[in-house]
Amino acid sequence: GAGVSQTPSNKVTEKGKYVELRCDPISGHTALYWYRQSLGQGPEFLIYFQGTGAADDSGLPNDRFFAVRPEGSVSTLKIQRTERGDSAVYLCASSATSGGPPWAAQYFGPGTRLLVL
Amino acid sequence: GDSVTQMEGPVTLSEEAFLTINCTYTATGYPSLFWYVQYPGEGLQLLLKATKADDKGSNKGFEATYRKETTSFHLEKGSVQVSDSAVYFCALTGAGANSKLTFGKGITLSVRP
Repeated sequence: GAGVSQTPSNKVTEKGKYVELRCDPISGHTALYWYRQSLGQGPEFLIYFQGTGAADDSGLPNDRFFAVRPEGSVSTLKIQRTERGDSAVYLCASSATSGGPPWAAQYFGPGTRLLVL
Repeated sequence: GDSVTQMEGPVTLSEEAFLTINCTYTATGYPSLFWYVQYPGEGLQLLLKATKADDKGSNKGFEATYRKETTSFHLEKGSVQVSDSAVYFCALTGAGANSKLTFGKGITLSVRP
């Protein structure tokens, strides 16, 4: 079946602009995660959705970052007033867990590479 | 908070060599432990996992044992292949219901023919 998909695959923007990054999880997966991966680093957690609600947004770096998942499927990560330091690969993952075992596998998308000039 | 430390890379080996990639962790309670792999041009994939002390995860010839006494989860393979060239990430999820992953920095493995 189809895996996690993310669009766009690449995004170049100018400092100060607004961007939206989209994630389509695996059908039926209730849990959705956003991570950010800077060059030479491992992914860092941003936010976790269980259904439509953000169960944990403790990884969002500041209030310029916001994410939604209005129907419990597709999610959009929104970044306002982008800064050069926001340049990274933004990864989305989904999981079939629904408040169950924390070791349920997370399936990752290919990522969106964001470059802020 | 939780953290994962991986050995410094990159690592270059000849085909059929023995591989060990070290990983240690800091976490409260009893985390679950994972190795993820990222092949060139592809997304992160789960390689193996272990959910409690002394468990051994294995897949594709790779193994890792959850050692609580040394807080380690070292990845091993007896005979690497060129196709194993990739970036390897050690990760954990906490003991609570929130299953966010905490990753190490990753290590690049290159296998020469």
